[in-house]
Amino acid sequence: TQLLEQSPQFLSIQEGENLTVYCNSSSVFSSLQWYRQEPGEGPVLLVTVVTGGEVKKLKRLTFQFGDARKDSSLHITAAQPGDTGLYLCAGGAGANNLFFGTGTRLTVIP
Amino acid sequence: DAGVTQSPTHLIKTRGQQVTLRCSPISGHKSVSWYQQVLGQGPQFIFQYYEKEERGRGNFPDRFSARQFPNYSSELNVNALLLGDSALYLCASSFQAGRGSEKLFFGSGTQLSVL
Repeated sequence: TQLLEQSPQFLSIQEGENLTVYCNSSSVFSSLQWYRQEPGEGPVLLVTVVTGGEVKKLKRLTFQFGDARKDSSLHITAAQPGDTGLYLCAGGAGANNLFFGTGTRLTVIP
Repeated sequence: DAGVTQSPTHLIKTRGQQVTLRCSPISGHKSVSWYQQVLGQGPQFIFQYYEKEERGRGNFPDRFSARQFPNYSSELNVNALLLGDSALYLCASSFQAGRGSEKLFFGSGTQLSVL
């Protein structure tokens, strides 16, 4: 079983602060995706990283894939209330099924 | 264009009953995947279908089954419901069945409660 552990599990910060969430595994993944899920909705894809060491930026969000393709991080600069949600990492390994982490629930307080 | 649509949105069943959940993928998408998300956890892969054939199966009992129709819509069936089957069932569609890096589009899910 390929497990993805995310930390922290819960995070509550003030608007304007920076934060980093982590996604770690003992398994190597061919790709890793980050999703954000809001209550009552399905996850929405934010980014896919496929190359070890790859860094991708999406406005105030910066995603990094570890050199060994076993871990990833998501850094948010100057968090806003609209960033509130459940952040999920998901690893792909061969087939089209994804292994999801347990998620980081982020709350940004205005 | 419509996104992935799932029906019903909410469902309440009792133990031992059977349930059928439905999913319509985005127009042009040929792959449908099903995931189970228990409260407080990330989604867990159940099935993937591509061009009406099963391409992948997660670690779920035989009580779970699915199929894909010629129009690429899909149904997930769960027999002999248990309390532990209570969860949000998500359907995701993609254009192809790739290598785990294919972009998935999720529906809003069906919230199943088993009493």
